Amino acid sequence: AQTVTQSQPEMSVQEAETVTLSCTYDTSESDYYLFWYKQPPSRQMILVIRQEAYKQQNATENRFSVNFQKAAKSFSLKISDSQLGDAAMYFCAYRSAGTGTASKLTFGTGTRLQVTL
Amino acid sequence: KAGVTQTPRYLIKTRGQQVTLSCSPISGHRSVSWYQQTPGQGLQFLFEYFSETQRNKGNFPGRFSGRQFSNSRSEMNVSTLELGDSALYLCASSVGQHNSPLHFGNGTRLTVT
Repeated sequence: AQTVTQSQPEMSVQEAETVTLSCTYDTSESDYYLFWYKQPPSRQMILVIRQEAYKQQNATENRFSVNFQKAAKSFSLKISDSQLGDAAMYFCAYRSAGTGTASKLTFGTGTRLQVTL
Repeated sequence: KAGVTQTPRYLIKTRGQQVTLSCSPISGHRSVSWYQQTPGQGLQFLFEYFSETQRNKGNFPGRFSGRQFSNSRSEMNVSTLELGDSALYLCASSVGQHNSPLHFGNGTRLTVT
């Protein structure tokens, strides 16, 4: 079974600064997807960024980028130029690429990000 | 396009009762999956329905069941409620392919007293 570990329960960053959230995972599969989701107080899980394991290039979405180290099974999220609206719980998630498992995500325990002025 | 809609947003039930939660996916999405979120266990996969058939199931007791209708709307039912069933229940929809992203609703907060 796959596991996802987020070792930072809480992080804090000043507005306009950069912060990195850590995530490690364990799997015996070679093909999979990794995600970062954001959950603000509205409770809705919002996809921030995703990475296909077969792609060596790190994914980037505007101010959000990842550092994907497949051999180390590490998948960290970097938020640049942090904004107040970035304050939320951030979840790292794993999904197998096999058919029939399309919607089964394995989540980490989350990191609560505070953004201060 | 309207997002994933979950109703109701809040529910309070008594131990031993049963409850039904509803999820309307994004138009065109054929897959609906359900997750339970609790402070102790985090986010856990319950099950997924695709074209009215259960395609995948997590490790939950048989008291948790679901179904999907021909219009892709899904319901989740929990029978004989226990205090530990208090949680946020999240529904997500997708087109159903293994590389398609999940779109989540705002969840239903269930409190069992």
